[in-house]
Amino acid sequence: GAGVSQSPSNKVTEKGKDVELRCDPISGHTALYWYRQSLGQGLEFLIYFQGNSAPDKSGLPSDRFSAERTGGSVSTLTIQRTQQEDSAVYLCASSVQAWGGSDTQYFGPGTRLTVL
Amino acid sequence: AQSVTQLGSHVSVSEGALVLLRCNYSSSVPPYLFWYVQYPNQGLQLLLKYTTGATLVKGINGFEAEFKKSETSFHLTKPSAHMSDAAEYFCAVSETGTYKYIFGTGTRLKVLA
Repeated sequence: GAGVSQSPSNKVTEKGKDVELRCDPISGHTALYWYRQSLGQGLEFLIYFQGNSAPDKSGLPSDRFSAERTGGSVSTLTIQRTQQEDSAVYLCASSVQAWGGSDTQYFGPGTRLTVL
Repeated sequence: AQSVTQLGSHVSVSEGALVLLRCNYSSSVPPYLFWYVQYPNQGLQLLLKYTTGATLVKGINGFEAEFKKSETSFHLTKPSAHMSDAAEYFCAVSETGTYKYIFGTGTRLKVLA
């Protein structure tokens, strides 16, 4: 079956512009996660969705970052007024359910964001 | 707070040699443990995971890992490295009743011909 897909695969933007990153999770997965992977860093948790709700937004670095999920499926991560430090690979993952801790998270290929 | 330490950001092995990638976690409660692999320009792929039961876990591509509670470790091994194993490997933990993975900073494996 289809895995997690993300679009675009690459995005180059100018400082100060807004960008939208899209994630299509595996069908039937109720939990969805966004991570950021910066050069030389590990994976940084950004936000988690259970259905359309985001119980944990604690990882969002600033109020320029927001995310939504509609229909319990597609999610969009929006970065407003992009800064050069936002340059990173943004990874999306989904899992059947979140609570319990043992569920496997399936990752998409990521969106590489470059802010000039 | 839970943390994960991967010793060695870069590891080089010869083709056919043993692969050993180290992962230690900090938790007073045995967590769930995962190893993921990331090939260039790709997402993360699950290699194996430990939840309960047998402490020696076998995964894909000939990899295995052993959960050692007394050492708070979950090291990844493969008896014989192949060129195709060159990638970055991430260890992650989560705890019962939570959803969040805590990732290590990754180990980049290089396989020498």
